[in-house]
Amino acid sequence: ETGVTQTPRHLVMGMTNKKSLKCEQHLGHNAMYWYKQSAKKPLELMFVYNFKEQTENNSVPSRFSPECPNSSHLFLHLHTLQPEDSALYLCASSQATSGGPNEQFFGPGTRLTVL
Amino acid sequence: AQSVAQPEDQVNVAEGNPLTVKCTYSVSGNPYLFWYVQYPNRGLQFLLKYITGDNLVKGSYGFEAEFNKSQTSFHLKKPSALVSDSALYFCAVRDMNSGYSTLTFGKGTMLLVSP
Repeated sequence: ETGVTQTPRHLVMGMTNKKSLKCEQHLGHNAMYWYKQSAKKPLELMFVYNFKEQTENNSVPSRFSPECPNSSHLFLHLHTLQPEDSALYLCASSQATSGGPNEQFFGPGTRLTVL
Repeated sequence: AQSVAQPEDQVNVAEGNPLTVKCTYSVSGNPYLFWYVQYPNRGLQFLLKYITGDNLVKGSYGFEAEFNKSQTSFHLKKPSALVSDSALYFCAVRDMNSGYSTLTFGKGTMLLVSP
């Protein structure tokens, strides 16, 4: 799992806080993803970036704001979250070849708790 | 549209016995199919994928999966289960005709292997 790293691994924040999640991939990929994983629910794709451009936003509330300064780094900025946003947030990367069967490589996740 | 169904929340098997974790999919075109495994407090790890060709795909840790187009299934199998195989397993699909690398994941199946 050292190919994709995420920090912090655990985060507890209040509803009025502002925090950021960081993801870094060392695999030479050019696509990066944010997923939300909640108990007993399918993995929810949040955002997709290809070559630093956002190519997908799955109706994610504006309190989640992604940033992709380059192909190796991805951030998720958080503000005024709700308790139901508590979940495991997973970052992934892959080659961005359109139409290709490229598997995604995942980081270990950030366990977020909103009080 | 693309979707995945994992009909079992949990599968229980004794060590040494064969295991099967079920997955069915729906795509408008032809599928790319994937299996991932998630151990506690870890991200998802890629196990294997089906692209085209041989319907039996072999992957990591002795796992294999059989693609069945008529039944739209991609069940994960292993001839002899190990206690260390206990984890959460996700099936994922991508329509070959969809853009970039967006995957749709199932809700996951917990595999418990008893000694």
